[in-house]
Amino acid sequence: GENVEQHPSTLSVQEGDSAVIKCTYSDSASNYFPWYKQELGKRPQLIIDIRSNVGEKKDQRIAVTLNKTAKHFSLHITETQPEDSAVYFCAASSGDFGNEKLTFGTGTRLTIIP
Amino acid sequence: DTAVSQTPKYLVTQMGNDKSIKCEQNLGHDTMYWYKQDSKKFLKIMFSYNNKELIINETVPNRFSPKSPDKAHLNLHINSLELGDSAVYFCASSQLLAGVQFFGPGTRLTVL
Repeated sequence: GENVEQHPSTLSVQEGDSAVIKCTYSDSASNYFPWYKQELGKRPQLIIDIRSNVGEKKDQRIAVTLNKTAKHFSLHITETQPEDSAVYFCAASSGDFGNEKLTFGTGTRLTIIP
Repeated sequence: DTAVSQTPKYLVTQMGNDKSIKCEQNLGHDTMYWYKQDSKKFLKIMFSYNNKELIINETVPNRFSPKSPDKAHLNLHINSLELGDSAVYFCASSQLLAGVQFFGPGTRLTVL
């Protein structure tokens, strides 16, 4: 089955600097890669996603890049703010038609230092 | 007008007891899920249902029995609770299988 690895597990950056979180996946047939943000005590919420026919997607301060050859995708947050502090999860969608599922990475705890 | 709701929010119980968690979504989605998030924050799928039909059962002990009475509801019943069942359980829904998922607020289960 699919295996998603996520690094780093913790990340501290100064407010205003950029943060990058990286994920690799094992199933070359995976075609959908969402990123979820989970604030302390809250539910995970989708912040951005990318499909395998696109190499990059941007939404204001957040961007995701995908390298299908290397089976690698990354989340980039620029001009970080205190409210960006949270746990971030990458995920990859895989499985046969009618049996797809999301496999989540192990999460990155991002702390923004004021 | 909550999109995905779960009850209860907190559940504290003794080992060996049986408990249920309920989930409802008003998004009109066809697919619903149960996820378990342990103390290390790992988020692992347990079950997925599509149009009331079980699609995925991720080698979960058969003490866990999901039930979907209709497309808008997915409940989770747990028999003979064990200490290792302590976790936060999230319900989620999506329009497409493994598509954009909307999570419920979670149920924090503590087994004593």
